[in-house]
Parts: sequence; C-alpha cells; structure tokens
Amino acid sequence: EAQVTQNPRYLITVTGKKLTVTCSQNMNHEYMSWYRQDPGLGLRQIYYSMNVEVTDKGDVPEGYKVSRKEKRNFPLILESPSPNQTSLYFCASRTMGETQYFGPGTRLLVL
Amino acid sequence: ELKVEQNPLFLSMQEGKNYTIYCNYSTTSDRLYWYRQDPGKSLESLFVLLSNGAVKQEGRLMASLDTKARLSTLHITAAVHDLSATYFCAVADYGGATNKLIFGTGTLLAVQP
Repeated sequence: EAQVTQNPRYLITVTGKKLTVTCSQNMNHEYMSWYRQDPGLGLRQIYYSMNVEVTDKGDVPEGYKVSRKEKRNFPLILESPSPNQTSLYFCASRTMGETQYFGPGTRLLVL
Repeated sequence: ELKVEQNPLFLSMQEGKNYTIYCNYSTTSDRLYWYRQDPGKSLESLFVLLSNGAVKQEGRLMASLDTKARLSTLHITAAVHDLSATYFCAVADYGGATNKLIFGTGTLLAVQP
C-alpha cells in the first residue's frame, strides 16, 4: 500500500531535549516536505527536499533541521525544542506533476 | 511573496443548502489544490487545478480556478452531514528549484441536519 509513515504519532517532551520525528514513504517520490499545523494558521511549510541531499527552507524553518540521506526518508530534527514548537506536524511526499500525499501526523507537546 | 487567503473561516450550513468557499492568492502559481481534513486526521487530496478555467467535480463538490483573478472556489451543492470537515486550499510554487506549497487558513464546515 502506498503510504507516508511518521513516528512517533504522539510525543511529550521537555524544553531542550533533542528529538527526531521520522518520515518514510514507499512511493519512490522525489519531493518531500514537513509542515506544522496550528489553530487559525493553517499549515505552514518548515522544510522541503527536492531529492537526496537537496533540502531548502520553507516559511518557518527556525528551530528545525532536516536531512535527506535516502530517497525514502526525511527526518525532522528539533535540536533544542521549545514550547512554541508544540504543534501538529505532517510529513508529505509527491512526485512531479502529482498531488502531495500526507502522513498521519505527529502531535508534539513541549513542556 | 505568495500569500493565500481563504474565507470564510467557519461555515455552518443546513443540509440541502448550497454554499461556496473562496480562495484568493497573491501571485501567479503553477497549480492549486483543495484538501479535506477530518478531525484528528490527516489531509486528503480532493482536487488539483492546473489551468485557467479548470473545473473539477466529485459528488457534491465542485472546484474551479480563475488564474486571471487569482481565485479558486469550492462549491458545495445540497450539503449533507458527511461533508462536515475542514477544507484547505493550497497554492503551489514549484518553479525552478522550489517545492513550496502555501496553505490557506482553512474553512471549518459544519453541516447541520
């Protein structure tokens, strides 16, 4: 089954404790993105990747890092999480000319 | 800078009624998407609109695109309760070396019996 998977689905952490949210897709898609969703703000793009080893900032990249060492994986790294990064995070992938497929979401709470 | 404005933010409808959600954007774009999100769920793709005058229909939903006016509409015909969800438009900037997708703030649709 074609899908985008994220782990973990729910995470509670404390300020400053490094964490990684994994994202994997099995569709051989070139393009992948991370978004955060906050009430009243819609979804905002954090980072995106055009292919392996090619990444770039979206609209809200501060406090986040990404890497794309393999085509299928696009982890999101929070080196020192802060409470303002409490949010719902979505990973998405697509191939050229197609719509984006979204993962199930990761709900993060930073205390 | 590409900006997307969606309205209304909240829409309460009675079953059987028609209504339209509007999506305005600020600069030219490669394509426009409509998504649906149910509470606690991920986003589901509804429509992709690629060119001026494009119209797509699926069941009681019809989406259209006017690139000259930089406006897309999502029209709901004879609403039913199952259509209750949040609807997002998203405008793409896929030109050159970018993969940017800018979302509207969403429209929470509540269809009342």
